[in-house]
Amino acid sequence: DTAVSQTPKYLVTQMGNDKSIKCEQNLGHDTMYWYKQDSKKFLKIMFSYNNKELIINETVPNRFSPKSPDKAHLNLHINSLELGDSAVYFCASSNHRGRGTEAFFGQGTRLTVV
Amino acid sequence: GDSVTQMEGPVTLSEEAFLTINCTYTATGYPSLFWYVQYPGEGLQLLLKATKADDKGSNKGFEATYRKETTSFHLEKGSVQVSDSAVYFCALFPNFGNEKLTFGTGTRLTIIP
Repeated sequence: DTAVSQTPKYLVTQMGNDKSIKCEQNLGHDTMYWYKQDSKKFLKIMFSYNNKELIINETVPNRFSPKSPDKAHLNLHINSLELGDSAVYFCASSNHRGRGTEAFFGQGTRLTVV
Repeated sequence: GDSVTQMEGPVTLSEEAFLTINCTYTATGYPSLFWYVQYPGEGLQLLLKATKADDKGSNKGFEATYRKETTSFHLEKGSVQVSDSAVYFCALFPNFGNEKLTFGTGTRLTIIP
């Protein structure tokens, strides 16, 4: 069983469209994250949710809206897609306040905006 | 704020060579430190971790020691294999404050037979 699963794995779409990426974890973790990895492999956190509550919201455009219907799911909706949104998006989960607790990552969603 | 500085890549080595990838950090207090590995086309996997000063994390022949005095967590392996080719990320998780993993820029490692 996949611990953290994201769908879709690949997403190609036109500028201006709205798209969603889904993430589910079956590890019983209470915290989930979205990270963006750019073409140079740099990883930057976008959002963090703990028990469905938003706890980290880095400087991300308002076009990005995370939604956590329950502890096991954290979806990412993106409005009015732009060329610069092209990247690989990773979902991750961990236990909050767990010192030394590792984060488990999904396989990533490669988003290409054309 | 917290930050992680990693050795610039890419790094290319011959099989069985000795590997060191440098990592230093800036954080308040005693963060937990991690090395993650990303194989081509895959997500990140935890390679090893250390949660307090002088701890040594090890896995798959890789080692890293938490050095508080030099704020470092360098990754080493005595004899690399072609299958070790990947991107390696150093990361920290603070013991207080903004609780998120902060990553270094990643180091691409290529091992040639």
